[in-house]
Amino acid sequence: GAGVSQSPSNKVTEKGKDVELRCDPISGHTALYWYRQSLGQGLEFLIYFQGNSAPDKSGLPSDRFSAERTGGSVSTLTIQRTQQEDSAVYLCASSLRMGDAYGYTFGSGTRLTVV
Amino acid sequence: DAKTTQPPSMDCAEGRAANLPCNHSTISGNEYVYWYRQIHSQGPQYIIHGLKNNETNEMASLIITEDRKSSTLILPHATLRDTAVYYCIVRAAQGGSEKLVFGKGTKLTVNP
Repeated sequence: GAGVSQSPSNKVTEKGKDVELRCDPISGHTALYWYRQSLGQGLEFLIYFQGNSAPDKSGLPSDRFSAERTGGSVSTLTIQRTQQEDSAVYLCASSLRMGDAYGYTFGSGTRLTVV
Repeated sequence: DAKTTQPPSMDCAEGRAANLPCNHSTISGNEYVYWYRQIHSQGPQYIIHGLKNNETNEMASLIITEDRKSSTLILPHATLRDTAVYYCIVRAAQGGSEKLVFGKGTKLTVNP
């Protein structure tokens, strides 16, 4: 597609439930990044993919968070047993190749609210 | 840890130039300066980047001091739509960490 697409745009879930967030990168972009942004805060790096592999998972806050990417395209971020502190906007970005720092294209994000 | 220091907020009158400073005193020789901005409720958007020479594109100009320890992003004729958080990031073009590390940025408010 023309841009990075994320779904759902908004998600309200009950504490303790699992959620899946989806990211469709720009076609042909090999690198994909997940960030989150809590209310009034800056962007926090979570994980990035080069193709289907994730060389850097250092930003995942806990083992409740996991992500995968299949076919070098769509990525899913899964949060298990959600907690209120997980409430944030989750942003996905893609770039043509790894290290292409001027070429990040971000999606509009998924706003997650845990009640 | 963020390698840059930016003022938390700035104001600018519509139609005037907005000059956003950034300090990066520990920048390495192979690190570039990148600027992104985030308009409310949207994902960040790339603006411009440079190594040591001044750069200009259709969105902005980037002025980097000769010692490369600081830079200024210039929006020559700010509009209300330029109200956003502006992030200054330093990163090696190749061989460094592959992720962009965003600090808190500068919240620019363009006033009518």
